[in-house]
Amino acid sequence: NAGVMQNPRHLVRRRGQEARLRCSPMKGHSHVYWYRQLPEEGLKFMVYLQKENIIDESGMPKERFSAEFPKEGPSILRIQQVVRGDSAAYFCASSPDREETQYFGPGTRLLVL
Amino acid sequence: AQSVAQPEDQVNVAEGNPLTVKCTYSVSGNPYLFWYVQYPNRGLQFLLKYITGDNLVKGSYGFEAEFNKSQTSFHLKKPSALVSDSALYFCAVRDETSNTGKLIFGQGTTLQVKP
Repeated sequence: NAGVMQNPRHLVRRRGQEARLRCSPMKGHSHVYWYRQLPEEGLKFMVYLQKENIIDESGMPKERFSAEFPKEGPSILRIQQVVRGDSAAYFCASSPDREETQYFGPGTRLLVL
Repeated sequence: AQSVAQPEDQVNVAEGNPLTVKCTYSVSGNPYLFWYVQYPNRGLQFLLKYITGDNLVKGSYGFEAEFNKSQTSFHLKKPSALVSDSALYFCAVRDETSNTGKLIFGQGTTLQVKP
C-alpha cells in the first residue's frame, strides 16, 4: 500500500506566480489535511477536506489560498500570487476517518524568489 | 485554548544511553496525543499515540511514551538511543474543540545522538 504521495517535492516560484501542490492520499483514505511548516517552526493546520467538500479551512489565509479534493484525482492546494512569506514546507496527511491516525506525505518545499 | 509545549529545542544524548523528549499539553477534555518523527527533508513518520487505556504506550523503533494526567505530560522515551534516532521529534494533540481531527503540534525537539 503506497503511502501519501505529494508532488512536486520542490517548487520554485517567482513573486506573483501561482503554486499548485498536489496530494494523493493513501488508498482507502478519504480525509485529507494540509499543514504548513515555516522555517524553524512546527506544523500549523491549514485545511481539512473530504471528497468534494471543504470541512474546515480555519487555518488557511482568506486570500490567495484555496484547496480542493475532487471526486477523482488528488487534493490540490493552490496559492495565487505567491509572496516570499509563502516559502515553507507544505505537508499533506490522510486518514480513513477523522478519528484515525493521520499519515503524512513527504511534503512540498516551496521557495518563492 | 488547546496547546502542546515541547520545552527543549534540542536534546543531546550518547549512543546507548536512555533518552527522553518532553511534551506537555493543555486540553479541555481527554487528550488524544501523538508523537511523530521527521528526518531531514522528509515527511513526518508516525511513532505512537495515546487515546485511552494503559498510560505506557509502545510504538515504532523501540520508542515508548508515558501519559501522565496529573502532570499533563506525554514524554517520549527510549531505553537505549541509536545514532540513527537523530531527528526532529514532534508532539501533537488532536484539537477536540473543532471535531475535525486536526492536529496541534509542538515546536519540535531536535534529538542529537552522538556515537
